[in-house]
Amino acid sequence: DTGVSQNPRHKITKRGQNVTFRCDPISEHNRLYWYRQTLGQGPEFLTYFQNEAQLEKSRLLSDRFSAERPKGSFSTLEIQRTEQGDSAMYLCASSSPGGSSYEQYFGPGTRLTVT
Amino acid sequence: AQSVAQPEDQVNVAEGNPLTVKCTYSVSGNPYLFWYVQYPNRGLQFLLKYITGDNLVKGSYGFEAEFNKSQTSFHLKKPSALVSDSALYFCAVRDILSNNDMRFGAGTRLTVKP
Repeated sequence: DTGVSQNPRHKITKRGQNVTFRCDPISEHNRLYWYRQTLGQGPEFLTYFQNEAQLEKSRLLSDRFSAERPKGSFSTLEIQRTEQGDSAMYLCASSSPGGSSYEQYFGPGTRLTVT
Repeated sequence: AQSVAQPEDQVNVAEGNPLTVKCTYSVSGNPYLFWYVQYPNRGLQFLLKYITGDNLVKGSYGFEAEFNKSQTSFHLKKPSALVSDSALYFCAVRDILSNNDMRFGAGTRLTVKP
């Protein structure tokens, strides 16, 4: 399967703990995006990488959130000192650098539950 | 800033009937418009996009959408619905002047009954 993959698929954690999610984009895609989706809502943009550079961050991305893409391939999203309001589906997407390709391809998501 | 509205939380149609899922958008400049579908426990799947050119765009699984600049709409359509089309549908917009910030609507749940 050459689609976007995310791990873990589900994470249950206690409030105050740190969690880290991983995203592996489609191999030739140089752009990678993180979104958050809560029940009954569409995905909300969190941050975006082009290769290893983090080019854009949403105001939704508080200081407790950090994302990296150290070698321009996979990316990690870490949430420190989790809060119950962080419970959501975290989606990763990637897109190709081609000038005619604008759509983003999404992974299955990581569902985070903070108890 | 760009935004998307999907005025219907739920759309119900009978199998074999045409379906329409509505989407209106707001951008400062010209829009890039997208439709995605989400099945239970699956990620969003790309259906179709409007970038430029013909206002009627065709996508996967027999879906099509019409870009209407005057009405700022991009409604998703299919001539004959299938039960397997039942899913959550999201419209998304990106302003061509923005870097990559894509805004999604809240989604419309389509239920196709046999």
